[in-house]
Amino acid sequence: DQQVKQNSPSLSVQEGRISILNCDYTNSMFDYFLWYKKYPAEGPTFLISISSIKDKNEDGRFTVFLNKSAKHLSLHIVPSQPGDSAVYFCAARHSGTYKYIFGTGTRLKVLA
Amino acid sequence: DTGVSQDPRHKITKRGQNVTFRCDPISEHNRLYWYRQTLGQGPEFLTYFQNEAQLEKSRLLSDRFSAERPKGSFSTLEIQRTEQGDSAMYLCASSLVGREGTEAFFGQGTRLTVV
Repeated sequence: DQQVKQNSPSLSVQEGRISILNCDYTNSMFDYFLWYKKYPAEGPTFLISISSIKDKNEDGRFTVFLNKSAKHLSLHIVPSQPGDSAVYFCAARHSGTYKYIFGTGTRLKVLA
Repeated sequence: DTGVSQDPRHKITKRGQNVTFRCDPISEHNRLYWYRQTLGQGPEFLTYFQNEAQLEKSRLLSDRFSAERPKGSFSTLEIQRTEQGDSAMYLCASSLVGREGTEAFFGQGTRLTVV
């Protein structure tokens, strides 16, 4: 039972354009949503998060949008840079257990 | 460096051998997690600790797997009688529960190869 889903395994974007990564979830008990970035042979690095009581959080070039009614969140990166090329994981924290559930990731490639 | 530290970074072992991994969390963090990641998948939850208490174990964690966190500080994950299917990246993360907006910070992982 995949509670956090990233349906796009890969995405290619031109440098300078916007990258939009999507994530869907099924469990209403999630209270925080996070995005992690991962390079090969390294652990995931925290990027940005959003509380379930908000609909938008912005940090520099990164913005996360949350649509609770649709159980959907997205990460916008603008402008995209070649250094953003990595695998991005969406994660959700369960409010009762504080356990983090991850999606399967989206590989972003930013073309110079 | 005050991040999460994992040791070793890489481990190659023969099938049937036992292996042990260590994780040192961020010092003030009270929650410690173990995850496993295989190619093309996201990190899969294995177990977690609140201080020294192990609160949950995933059904992915067979009887061959055991984790400890003595004194609520570092943690070890032991795999007995390793199988080829155990080959994966084992990730440790820590967080501070009780503070709003907290995120889990991950270590660099231990890459296990069972031959």
